[in-house]
Amino acid sequence: RKEVEQDPGPFNVPEGATVAFNCTYSNSASQSFFWYRQDCRKEPKLLMSVYSSGNEDGRFTAQLNRASQYISLLIRDSKLSDSATYLCVVNKPKAAGNKLTFGGGTRVLVKP
Amino acid sequence: NAGVTQTPKFRVLKTGQSMTLLCAQDMNHEYMYWYRQDPGMGLRLIHYSVGEGTTAKGEVPDGYNVSRLKKQNFLLGLESAAPSQTSVYFCASRQGQGLGYTFGSGTRLTVV
Repeated sequence: RKEVEQDPGPFNVPEGATVAFNCTYSNSASQSFFWYRQDCRKEPKLLMSVYSSGNEDGRFTAQLNRASQYISLLIRDSKLSDSATYLCVVNKPKAAGNKLTFGGGTRVLVKP
Repeated sequence: NAGVTQTPKFRVLKTGQSMTLLCAQDMNHEYMYWYRQDPGMGLRLIHYSVGEGTTAKGEVPDGYNVSRLKKQNFLLGLESAAPSQTSVYFCASRQGQGLGYTFGSGTRLTVV
């Protein structure tokens, strides 16, 4: 089983619609969770950290479900500019070098 | 602007040539990382450093060497480039637990 798993998509989303997708992680001791956004041929950029209580940043909402070991990202009122690959990132407890583990990414395509 | 700077942005090498990729960060981060990203493979860790003067191997270290003589710089070397090293290389830094990575803009390397 992969340490961090994501549905690769693509999720084809009409402009203005809501889209949500999950990421599962295997290590129950993981403490830090992030969503990154990566545009084609660009570097990953931090979208938001994911806190135990869940958090919201504008149209984006992230949730953590520790019991089922997954995090989710919801995008409301999708914009064309939201088209990107969304990477789920989880810390590896006690890993040397404070490394983070990346999922393979979920591709989102917002269409007019 | 504070961040992670990678040079060069693009490079074409002939098989057997050597080169060094430079990563510089001005955020006083302790941890630095080199990743490669290939289509369908996601981000794979090559080498990392937990502080000035330290380096360690990641998942795919073969064919690469690194050095961190100064805290702000992390160099990735290819001694004898091979076509299999054609990839996009990203450098990242991180201050510590609970915080995500900051990525550089990447180096697109082609080995012919």
